[in-house]
Amino acid sequence: QVQLKESGPGLVQPSQTLSLTCTVSGFSLTSNSVHWVRQPPGKGLEWMGGIWGDGSTDYNSALKSRLSISRDTSKSQVFLKMNSLQTDDTAIYFCTLFAYWGQGTLVTVSS
Amino acid sequence: DVVLTQTPVAQPVTLGDQASISCRSSQSLVHSNGNTYLEWYLQKPGQSPQLLIYKVSNRFSGVPDRFIGSGSGSDFTLKISRVEPEDLGVYYCFQATHDPYTFGAGTKLELK
Repeated sequence: QVQLKESGPGLVQPSQTLSLTCTVSGFSLTSNSVHWVRQPPGKGLEWMGGIWGDGSTDYNSALKSRLSISRDTSKSQVFLKMNSLQTDDTAIYFCTLFAYWGQGTLVTVSS
Repeated sequence: DVVLTQTPVAQPVTLGDQASISCRSSQSLVHSNGNTYLEWYLQKPGQSPQLLIYKVSNRFSGVPDRFIGSGSGSDFTLKISRVEPEDLGVYYCFQATHDPYTFGAGTKLELK
C-alpha cells in the first residue's frame, strides 16, 4: 500500500538549514508528484512545493529563495532543504501525494 | 496568489444534522485544460489531513456518500448530510489550478 514517512531533526537553530527526508513505498516517484506541506502549531496548511514525476520542481513563491526539493528514485526518497530558518518556520512538515499523506514531523526552530 | 475564503470559520452542529461549508476563490479555478482542481480535506485532531473530494465533486476512495462537493468557477460548497462523530475536525479547501497552490484557512466542524 502507499506509504510516506518523513524524517529529520526535531530541532534546528535559527539561521541554520533544515533537511528532511520523505521515504515512500507503494508507488513510483517517476510516475507521481510528491509535495511538501507545512502547518505551524495550531494554524492552517501551507503548500511549500513539489517534485513531479519527470523530476521538475515547483515552489511556493514565498519560499522559493530558501527552498530546494530533490529526490533519489533508487532509494524512493524525496528531500526538502530550506535555509535561513527562523522561529516562524516552526511547524509540522508533511510530505504528501495529496491522496495520501505522511504522519508529519515536527520541526522546532529555537536556540 | 489565489486566496480561498472559507465560511464559516466554525460550524457548530448536532449529530445527524446537515453541515455546509463555503469556499470562494479570488479567481476562477478552471484550468486551461478544462479541469477545476478544487479539493476538500478533513484534518482530525492530531492527524494528517485526509482527502475527501477532488476536482470539485469526486469522492476519494472510501469516502462516504454523505460528503457532497459542488460548485464551479470560483464558488464551491461542501455539504455533509447526517453528521457523524468521525466527521468532526477542521475542513480545508485547496486549489491546485494556479501556482502557487493554496489552502483555505479552514472551517472547524464541532458539536453544539
